[in-house]
Amino acid sequence: NAGVTQTPKFQVLKTGQSMTLQCAQDMNHNSMYWYRQDPGMGLRLIYYSASEGTTDKGEVPNGYNVSRLNKREFSLRLESAAPSQTSVYFCASLPSGTDSNQPQHFGDGTRLSIL
Amino acid sequence: DAKTTQPNSMESNEEEPVHLPCNHSTISGTDYIHWYRQLPSQGPEYVIHGLTSNVNNRMASLAIAEDRKSSTLILHRATLRDAAVYYCILRAPRMGGKLIFGQGTELSVKP
Repeated sequence: NAGVTQTPKFQVLKTGQSMTLQCAQDMNHNSMYWYRQDPGMGLRLIYYSASEGTTDKGEVPNGYNVSRLNKREFSLRLESAAPSQTSVYFCASLPSGTDSNQPQHFGDGTRLSIL
Repeated sequence: DAKTTQPNSMESNEEEPVHLPCNHSTISGTDYIHWYRQLPSQGPEYVIHGLTSNVNNRMASLAIAEDRKSSTLILHRATLRDAAVYYCILRAPRMGGKLIFGQGTELSVKP
């Protein structure tokens, strides 16, 4: 039972490089989310997808794009990485519709450093 | 979004109960109170949630004040594995299922 799987776990980029963070869930969940967590801070929502084919901006979407490839996969792309995007990125999924009070399930994160 | 206020840090002794407070004076009538925790180097993990009544599950209990302006997460017997950052989050319906995280309470457990 893998749950939410994020790849890669660690990555170092140079300023201006591009990269795609991958997230997949095997729980047949409808909604998926991308958060970032800076040191000593709580998580902040970047983008989310209520269902396959839809995406919406969260609190801090600038500098990012997302793709909900299918029900299982939700990717986050940095087109031109900046040092301010150095952070730990978490993907999460939610069982039912976005009004649900079911708990979100989180992956273990991708630790991204941009030099 | 309604905000929550938690102490930055708390300490507990192993095998003793822990009461983690949360103030949410601007809570609306339809906001649920959710608690998540984050162990070191891991993603957040759901603990418990409630609306008005006190709730119990295998991990913890949630006590909600009668006016709903505060709540308390209760760990009945703290273990070393309970050392984590605990987040109290208000979740409104029809908000895309989003979670708005504050800074949380860092709980340390002493053997």
